[in-house]
Amino acid sequence: GAVVSQHPSWVICKSGTSVKIECRSLDFQATTMFWYRQFPKQSLMLMATSNEGSKATYEQGVEKDKFLINHASLTLSTLTVTSAHPEDSSFYICSASRDSVWREYFGPGTRLTVL
Amino acid sequence: AQTVTQSQPEMSVQEAETVTLSCTYDTSENNYYLFWYKQPPSRQMILVIRQEAYKQQNATENRFSVNFQKAAKSFSLKISDSQLGDTAMYFCAFMKLYGGSQGNLIFGKGTKLSVKP
Repeated sequence: GAVVSQHPSWVICKSGTSVKIECRSLDFQATTMFWYRQFPKQSLMLMATSNEGSKATYEQGVEKDKFLINHASLTLSTLTVTSAHPEDSSFYICSASRDSVWREYFGPGTRLTVL
Repeated sequence: AQTVTQSQPEMSVQEAETVTLSCTYDTSENNYYLFWYKQPPSRQMILVIRQEAYKQQNATENRFSVNFQKAAKSFSLKISDSQLGDTAMYFCAFMKLYGGSQGNLIFGKGTKLSVKP
């Protein structure tokens, strides 16, 4: 149990376009979802935390107008990279948590390449 | 602010041998969890083991065990009988508790473990 999926697993887009990444908790209701970014050979960097029905809380240095997060239901959160540029190319990972379990369940990640 | 330090960027071990990965953290909190996550080449994050700060007993999961030293703020991972499938990046992580809610994970920089045949 406690499976988190991400879609797409890999996306290539042109500079200036927007890309949406979906994160779904398949068999549980996620009270909180997290979005991370990981550069090659580096650790995970938290971008934002989102709770269902609330505005996301962004980490310092993360542009909220560029990385739009929507958490419309207890099983779905989306990250939209607006006006993507090559420097936005990275591996994006989402995770989800549920009450009183004290851990995060991770999705498989999405590789974004901006040409 | 909490920080997590992994001082070993890379380690290697022979198959069937034992290896210990180090992790130290800094916090003024009393209620928290500590984790070891594994990230194989597929990049899927996999929970290896979890330790509640209020528990003195070290957590174990089959071949994986931790040495949790709360006063020293140390949380090392021991892998016994290493297998080729253990080859991966290992991240130590800290989670603060806010009353009845959990905070986000704070990760160390990771240790790349190679198990050699």
